[in-house]
Amino acid sequence: GAVVSQHPSWVICKSGTSVKIECRSLDFQATTMFWYRQFPKQSLMLMATSNEGSKATYEQGVEKDKFLINHASLTLSTLTVTSAHPEDSSFYICSASPGTSIDTQYFGPGTRLTVL
Amino acid sequence: RKEVEQDPGPFNVPEGATVAFNCTYSNSASQSFFWYRQDCRKEPKLLMSVYSSGNEDGRFTAQLNRASQYISLLIRDSKLSDSATYLCVVNQGGKLIFGQGTELSVKP
Repeated sequence: GAVVSQHPSWVICKSGTSVKIECRSLDFQATTMFWYRQFPKQSLMLMATSNEGSKATYEQGVEKDKFLINHASLTLSTLTVTSAHPEDSSFYICSASPGTSIDTQYFGPGTRLTVL
Repeated sequence: RKEVEQDPGPFNVPEGATVAFNCTYSNSASQSFFWYRQDCRKEPKLLMSVYSSGNEDGRFTAQLNRASQYISLLIRDSKLSDSATYLCVVNQGGKLIFGQGTELSVKP
């Protein structure tokens, strides 16, 4: 089956630092990649949608200058949390879609971010 | 009103029990529907798509009622390994909208 990896799987950082999370589709080309965030006991919330070579589309309430998304190739998207604060601590999950239908999404294993 | 709403749970059931999860969605223009399973601290994994005609996969049966904007998942003969959080997911306007999940705990 299709595999999506994320790196790192967990990270602890100090408040004010930036953290980069990578999402890779290992055995397929991802037309579209998605970034989600999940707080404890809550549902996954879509943060942004990115298509290779174009700017990401951010959901309402998600600051594009704080959460920088780059989708430079068909197999790699990165999310950078800039100037992280404790309230950014969350489980960040990416997914990748191989075609034009978003019904098929393969999820990465997630990155647990803790900001001290 | 939440876009996708599920039973709050948790559901604690003995092995072998039948358990039903309910979900409602607010946008009648929603296009496709799914049940995902999420284990603790892991990513969600697709359990099954849901169709108006209903569909079954082994012990799992999913139903969709578009008129009522209601989706259900039935698990028969529950196993210990079924313990997880079950997420109702709707494709709405080209985005997947997740319910908050219903936690299931199957006890021996």
